[in-house]
Amino acid sequence: AQTVTQSQPEMSVQEAETVTLSCTYDTSESDYYLFWYKQPPSRQMILVIRQEAYKQQNATENRFSVNFQKAAKSFSLKISDSQLGDAAMYFCAYRSSNSGAGSYQLTFGKGTKLSVIP
Amino acid sequence: NAGVTQTPKFQVLKTGQSMTLQCAQDMNHEYMSWYRQDPGMGLRLIHYSVGAGITDQGEVPNGYNVSRSTTEDFPLRLLSAAPSQTSVYFCASSYYAGSSYEQYFGPGTRLTVT
Repeated sequence: AQTVTQSQPEMSVQEAETVTLSCTYDTSESDYYLFWYKQPPSRQMILVIRQEAYKQQNATENRFSVNFQKAAKSFSLKISDSQLGDAAMYFCAYRSSNSGAGSYQLTFGKGTKLSVIP
Repeated sequence: NAGVTQTPKFQVLKTGQSMTLQCAQDMNHEYMSWYRQDPGMGLRLIHYSVGAGITDQGEVPNGYNVSRSTTEDFPLRLLSAAPSQTSVYFCASSYYAGSSYEQYFGPGTRLTVT
């Protein structure tokens, strides 16, 4: 079974600065998908960024980018020019690409609570 | 499009009571799922469905029942509520499983069992 680990329960960043959230995962599969979700106090789960494991290029979405290290099984999220609206819980998630029961499940880490200091 | 909708938003139950959490989506997604979120933990899969009439268990299925009679609706039933089922419940849907297609989440239902 796959596992996802987020080792930073809480982090803080000054407004306009850059912060990196860590995520590691364990899998025996060679092809899979990785995601970062944001959960603000409203509880809504919002997809921030996704990465296909077969792509070597790191995904970027505006101020959000990832550092995907497949061999190290690491998938960190970098937030540049942090804004007050970035304050939220951030979850790293894994999804198998194989057909079968595992492909229907997103496996989540426990989350990192990000605070943005004005 | 309303996306994924869930009702109710909040619910308090007594131990032993039963209830149904409603989930509906208007995006014609084949795949729907239910997750629960407990404090200090990520979301865990309860049940999922890959189409009308097809359901299967996820990681934490005990105490819950599902059915999928239409593409749009995927209700979650608590047969006899227990305090351990106090949690926030999320319904999600997507076009395909086993892909990078985004899963769209509903706003969640906060359930308290006393």
